[in-house]
Amino acid sequence: DQQVKQNSPSLSVQEGRISILNCDYTNSMFDYFLWYKKYPAEGPTFLISISSIKDKNEDGRFTVFLNKSAKHLSLHIVPSQPGDSAVYFCAASSYSGNTPLVFGKGTRLSVIA
Amino acid sequence: KAGVTQTPRYLIKTRGQQVTLSCSPISGHRSVSWYQQTPGQGLQFLFEYFSETQRNKGNFPGRFSGRQFSNSRSEMNVSTLELGDSALYLCASSRGSGSRGNEQFFGPGTRLTVL
Repeated sequence: DQQVKQNSPSLSVQEGRISILNCDYTNSMFDYFLWYKKYPAEGPTFLISISSIKDKNEDGRFTVFLNKSAKHLSLHIVPSQPGDSAVYFCAASSYSGNTPLVFGKGTRLSVIA
Repeated sequence: KAGVTQTPRYLIKTRGQQVTLSCSPISGHRSVSWYQQTPGQGLQFLFEYFSETQRNKGNFPGRFSGRQFSNSRSEMNVSTLELGDSALYLCASSRGSGSRGNEQFFGPGTRLTVL
C-alpha cells in the first residue's frame, strides 16, 4: 500500500522552462511534506518542505504547492537548469517528528540544454 | 559542521554471509534512520533509532537489524545475505523531534552487492 505516490517516473524539460513534479498521498495523518533531490552515487539532499498549515512555500527557484483537499502536492522549478537534472523524491510525515518519513518512488528529471 | 558519514562506501559479499554497515550522524542529531534503495522502489524505510532505542521499524525481515550507540553512531547488520539484498543502503540523521525535526540529512550510502 503506497501512501506516497509519484506517478511520473520521468520528466524531460527544456532549459529555462518550468518543471512541475507531482506527488499524491493517501494518509490523512500526514501534515508535513518534504522534497529531496538525489544525484547518482550521492545521498538525497533536502530541498524544500511545507507544513499543512500552508498551501505554498517558496525558496528561490523552487516552490512547493500543497492542496490538502486533493491530497496533492507539487514542486515547481523555475527556470529549470541542466544542474537540476536528478531524481526528486517526495516524502511525508507528521510534524511531531516521531514518525518515519514515507517516500515516493521518485521522478527522474532531465533538463535539456 | 560535518555531514553524515557512512562506511564502507562499497561492499561485495556472497550469499549467506553477513554484513555490518556503519553510520555517523551529524553532531547533535539524536535520530538515525536507515533506508534501502533499489531501482524503481524508491527509499524503503528499514528502522529508526532515537537515543539508543529503536523508535520505528519498517517491513523488513528479522535478518535486518540495527543498533545505536550512546554517541548516536549507528550500525546496521544484515545476516544470511540474499541476492535481493543488493542495494544502496542510506543512513539519515535528524534532530528527531520538534520543529523541523523531520528534516533528514542523508549520507552518501553504502552500495552492497551480493553475489
